[in-house]
Amino acid sequence: AQKVTQAQTEISVVEKEDVTLDCVYETRDTTYYLFWYKQPPSGELVFLIRRNSFDEQNEISGRYSWNFQKSTSSFNFTITASQVVDSAVYFCALTEETSGSRLTFGEGTQLTVNP
Amino acid sequence: DGGITQSPKYLFRKEGQNVTLSCEQNLNHDAMYWYRQDPGQGLRLIYYSQIVNDFQKGDIAEGYSVSREKKESFPLTVTSAQKNPTAFYLCASSIQSSTGPLNIQYFGAGTRLSVL
Repeated sequence: AQKVTQAQTEISVVEKEDVTLDCVYETRDTTYYLFWYKQPPSGELVFLIRRNSFDEQNEISGRYSWNFQKSTSSFNFTITASQVVDSAVYFCALTEETSGSRLTFGEGTQLTVNP
Repeated sequence: DGGITQSPKYLFRKEGQNVTLSCEQNLNHDAMYWYRQDPGQGLRLIYYSQIVNDFQKGDIAEGYSVSREKKESFPLTVTSAQKNPTAFYLCASSIQSSTGPLNIQYFGAGTRLSVL
């Protein structure tokens, strides 16, 4: 069975600090996909990134970067020079190739960036 | 504008009443999903549909029902059998790829359901 754990329930930082959100997953499939979504106070989930299990290259998009390590089953998300607009709940999610379209979400990390 | 529209934004249910949450998408996506979000918890899958006139139960389907008569619409009914319906409900859609789960799910803005 697939499982996603986001151990950090809440993180609070001051603007311009770097912050890393942790995500650890469990799966028995060799082919799977990992996702990060952002949920701002408005409630709608916004897609940030998708990775497949065969692509361990780290990715950078502006102030966002992702570190995928199969050896530790982790897919961590770092925000560099955080801004107040980054305040949101961030979800990590997993789908296995054999589960079709079903996403399993972690419980989310509430990030608060203070001015 | 292409996207997913959920209505209403807020909904109140009286005890013993069935209520229906609307979800419409104009993204031409084949697959649609309903999730429930409780405070401090992740999203849990209620029902999903990969094609018109077909749907499958998710992890917490009891007390809910759905229909998929049109590709663009996937309404969710919260029945009186759902004893704890107060939650935030999110609808999503994705393309359906035969080559694998190319399934970035795109979400609506949600419906917040409360019990009177």
